[in-house]
Amino acid sequence: QKEVEQDPGPLSVPEGAIVSLNCTYSNSAFQYFMWYRQYSRKGPELLMYTYSSGNKEDGRFTAQVDKSSKYISLFIRDSQPSDSATYLCAMSLSTGANSKLTFGKGITLSVRP
Amino acid sequence: EAGVAQSPRYKIIEKRQSVAFWCNPISGHATLYWYQQILGQGPKLLIQFQNNGVVDDSQLPKDRFSAERLKGVDSTLKIQPAKLEDSAVYLCASRGQESTGELFFGEGSRLTVL
Repeated sequence: QKEVEQDPGPLSVPEGAIVSLNCTYSNSAFQYFMWYRQYSRKGPELLMYTYSSGNKEDGRFTAQVDKSSKYISLFIRDSQPSDSATYLCAMSLSTGANSKLTFGKGITLSVRP
Repeated sequence: EAGVAQSPRYKIIEKRQSVAFWCNPISGHATLYWYQQILGQGPKLLIQFQNNGVVDDSQLPKDRFSAERLKGVDSTLKIQPAKLEDSAVYLCASRGQESTGELFFGEGSRLTVL
């Protein structure tokens, strides 16, 4: 079993749809959870960051962490064509000097105008 | 603030040849990472530096891959000899002292091995 599993894609939705992206993980020691967005031929960029369990909202984006189920989600409301990208979940044990991120495989989202 | 710089952006080589990638992190970032991203997969950590010391190279195929960060600033990743399965994007990232531990990525170096 991989440490981080991400729902397979690709995913295609019409503009304005609500999108739900999900990851599960096996290491209960993960404390920091992130979503990165990667546009084609670009490096990943941090989109959302959450520490431990709970929800975090930023504009049209909501990140949700359920540590008891080892499950994280990213919701996108009123999706736009500019949201078309690959979304990577990532998590780490700490944010100290030796911390590293473990990524899911990513899911490619296409938002149709 | 300038981002993470990587070069070359694209490289095509024959198998068994060698290749080197260069990375210049964001100024002041002590931690530098090299990730390998194979098409359709998430980034996989190859090596992590803290200043000029190696923190983690457990997933670096040391028989063919090497990396250095001699002066604690820029870094070079080398592959010699290359194999077909090394075709991937090599991403360099750096991290500052932010409490979130956010990684800042370069645009990557895309390697094709024929």
